[in-house]
Amino acid sequence: AQKVTQAQTEISVVEKEDVTLDCVYETRDTTYYLFWYKQPPSGELVFLIRRNSFDEQNEISGRYSWNFQKSTSSFNFTITASQVVDSAVYFCALSEEYTGANSKLTFGKGITLSVRP
Amino acid sequence: DGGITQSPKYLFRKEGQNVTLSCEQNLNHDAMYWYRQDPGQGLRLIYYSQIVNDFQKGDIAEGYSVSREKKESFPLTVTSAQKNPTAFYLCASSMLQYTEAFFGQGTRLTVV
Repeated sequence: AQKVTQAQTEISVVEKEDVTLDCVYETRDTTYYLFWYKQPPSGELVFLIRRNSFDEQNEISGRYSWNFQKSTSSFNFTITASQVVDSAVYFCALSEEYTGANSKLTFGKGITLSVRP
Repeated sequence: DGGITQSPKYLFRKEGQNVTLSCEQNLNHDAMYWYRQDPGQGLRLIYYSQIVNDFQKGDIAEGYSVSREKKESFPLTVTSAQKNPTAFYLCASSMLQYTEAFFGQGTRLTVV
């Protein structure tokens, strides 16, 4: 069965530090999609990135970067030069092709990131 | 503005009562989803629907019911059979083909 593990539960950093959020997944499917979402205190989940299983290129978007490694079943998220506004809960999620519902997501338990001024 | 609207934002229910959470989207998305979030936990899927008049159970459907009479609407009823209904409920929608899901702002349900 599919599973997403976010072993870190809470991380606290000082502003301008770099921080990496880890995500390890398990799936029996060869075609799958990985996602990262941000949940600010308002509660709404904000989509950050989607990556399919055939594309292992790392991606950078401003201060955000993602490292996808199929060999270790990991999809880690790095925030460079963190800011107070990055404080939120971050979820990694997995969607498998065989489920039939293409955006049916399996979530990790989330990582609470606190960025102190 | 396009988006997903959940109402109410806060809801209080007495034990033994059914309560319905509203979810409306104007994104013309085919699929809609209900997730439950408990403190320190990830989101768990309750129900999902890919087309009108059809829906499927998720991982924790017991004690919940849904309907999908219109493409835009996917209300969730929390019944008295749900043993521990106090939680944060999130509705989402997506196009069908492996695209990201968009989420509403959630409804926080408390049983009193």
